[in-house]
Order: sequence, then structure tokens, then C-alpha cells
Amino acid sequence: SQTIHQWPATLVQPVGSPLSLECTVEGTSNPNLYWYRQAAGRGLQLLFYSVGIGQISSEVPQNLSASRPQDRQFILSSKKLLLSDSGFYLCAWNLGRGAHEQFFGPGTRLTVL
Amino acid sequence: AQSVSQHNHHVILSEAASLELGCNYSYGGTVNLFWYVQYPGQHLQLLLKYFSGDPLVKGIKGFEAEFIKSKFSFNLRKPSVQWSDTAEYFCAVNAGSSYKLIFGSGTRLLVRP
Repeated sequence: SQTIHQWPATLVQPVGSPLSLECTVEGTSNPNLYWYRQAAGRGLQLLFYSVGIGQISSEVPQNLSASRPQDRQFILSSKKLLLSDSGFYLCAWNLGRGAHEQFFGPGTRLTVL
Repeated sequence: AQSVSQHNHHVILSEAASLELGCNYSYGGTVNLFWYVQYPGQHLQLLLKYFSGDPLVKGIKGFEAEFIKSKFSFNLRKPSVQWSDTAEYFCAVNAGSSYKLIFGSGTRLLVRP
């Protein structure tokens, strides 16, 4: 069966520090991969998605970037964190578009101080 | 731009009460519609989805939703809620067979025993 992992689960970082959040999927090949940010009362906001290695689509201009160095690995990064980057980051995957369900990871709680 | 509105941000019910959570979207073309649920401490998971056919769809744990195209709505219902239904519920729309899911802001449901 397929599983999705995210780490770390919780992270506290100072303003101006770099960020690297990792997401990996097991048990499937060529998944579409997604990064979302969940803010209280604001639902989930799609940040990036990728349909293949090295292919990244950015949905919201911001202080973050994403990379997909391997088929089942998706990384969210920042060179210098801002206070506004605090939030709950979710990774998701699916095998198609349209009606194909997305499967979500456990998330990373990021606090920028 | 596509958007999803969930009008009830917080709902408090007693066990056995009936539930209806509103969801409206803005998109004029073909849509795929989803309800996701996030139980306390758990991953976001699919409750039900609609992509074609019978506009009344049934999901897990006795939930159902009705797609009313003329009203651009996809309301979630359950005839009798249980304490274990306490969770946050998200409506989401996928438009035109794209890769992207647009989420509503979520509804926090508290069911009192």
C-alpha cells in the first residue's frame, strides 16, 4: 500500500534562517506531488505542485520554493524565513488529475520566531 | 478565479442532531467536488466525492452530499451525528480536470455527547 511521510513533524526556526521540509511517497510511481499551507480559518492553500521530476508549478508568489529531485521526493525550501511563513504545511499525492483523490501526509507545523 | 465558500466556520451540535454544512463554488465549467475531513490528530482524508452521474453521493460514516449545479453548491449532510464526527470539514473543487484542488476555509464541527 502507499504511504506518505513528512518530516520534521514540528519545527521552530528564527526569522532569516533557511528551511527545508521533506515529503516522500512510498508504494507508487510517477505520482503528482503537492505542497499546501493550512492556516487557521483559511483552509488549504496550494503552494506548488509537480507532475514529474524537475517539474514544478508555483501557485502563489512568495518566499518559498519547491524541488523534486527524485520521483517520490518533494522538498519545500526557503533561503530566509519570514514570520508570515509560520503555518501547517501539508504534502499530498495522487495519480492523475480531475476526479483523482489526493492523499495527504501528516503535515509539518512550522513556527517562525 | 475559482473559489470555494464554506459559510459555517464553527458548528456545535448535540449527538443525534442532523447536520448540513454548506459549500458553494464559483466556476462555470465542469467540476469535480470533494469533501475532506480532518479528525483531531489525524491526516486529512477523503469523505466523499462527486465527478459525474447521480448528484447525490454517499460517503463513509453515513455522510452524503448533493451536487446542485444550478446553485453551484455541494452541501454535506448527515441525518444523525455522533460524538466521533467532531472534526474539521473541508469542501474542495477541481475544475476542468486540472491538477489543482481549491479548498474552502473549513468548518469546525463539535458534537457534544
